[in-house]
Amino acid sequence: AQSVTQLDSHVSVSEGTPVLLRCNYSSSYSPSLFWYVQHPNKGLQLLLKYTSAATLVKGINGFEAEFKKSETSFHLTKPSAHMSDAAEYFCVVTPYNNNDMRFGAGTRLTVKP
Amino acid sequence: GAGVSQSPRYKVAKRGQDVALRCDPISGHVSLFWYQQALGQGPEFLTYFQNEAQLDKSGLPSDRFFAERPEGSVSTLKIQRTQQEDSAVYLCASSSRTLTGTGNTIYFGEGSWLTVV
Repeated sequence: AQSVTQLDSHVSVSEGTPVLLRCNYSSSYSPSLFWYVQHPNKGLQLLLKYTSAATLVKGINGFEAEFKKSETSFHLTKPSAHMSDAAEYFCVVTPYNNNDMRFGAGTRLTVKP
Repeated sequence: GAGVSQSPRYKVAKRGQDVALRCDPISGHVSLFWYQQALGQGPEFLTYFQNEAQLDKSGLPSDRFFAERPEGSVSTLKIQRTQQEDSAVYLCASSSRTLTGTGNTIYFGEGSWLTVV
């Protein structure tokens, strides 16, 4: 079985400060892990993905995530938040060779001026 | 268009009414997925097509839900006798490859917002 837990339903940061969105996963198989962003009334957009290559993954818009197998975590970070980063973020796990992507419940990021 | 296109974007249905939601995947994409996203929740898997074959429908919540992709391109998700708990955003996604576990990128549409009253 596989699942994803996003540890915070809502994160609020000030513009220019670091962002940390936490994700823990469980998977019986060697997983692939993704972060997606969803802006209001918009479709899901892929930020980055981990597929058993480098454990530190760089994505779009300055985001990156580190796969830590020992901690079963895949936290998303960004050094400096921008107002346009305000959105809903989803951590996703899928086991190798399986089409069943499991989404976390989402973390709403608010960026204060 | 360049992306996954879904229609209608918004649908209000009376309880008991049948609805049909359409998905136009990215041209040439063999894999097509449907997800249901309830308010305040993450998307949940409904069904998966590889070309015209429906390989996985384990996420369909009841036999009132039916999906098809007869020619391996456009897909339709049909909900019969809609109920209030069917109110959600229905997301369609497609990818160019058949296995997501290889890190294959899946592209999502903007969703069809269904409200059952």
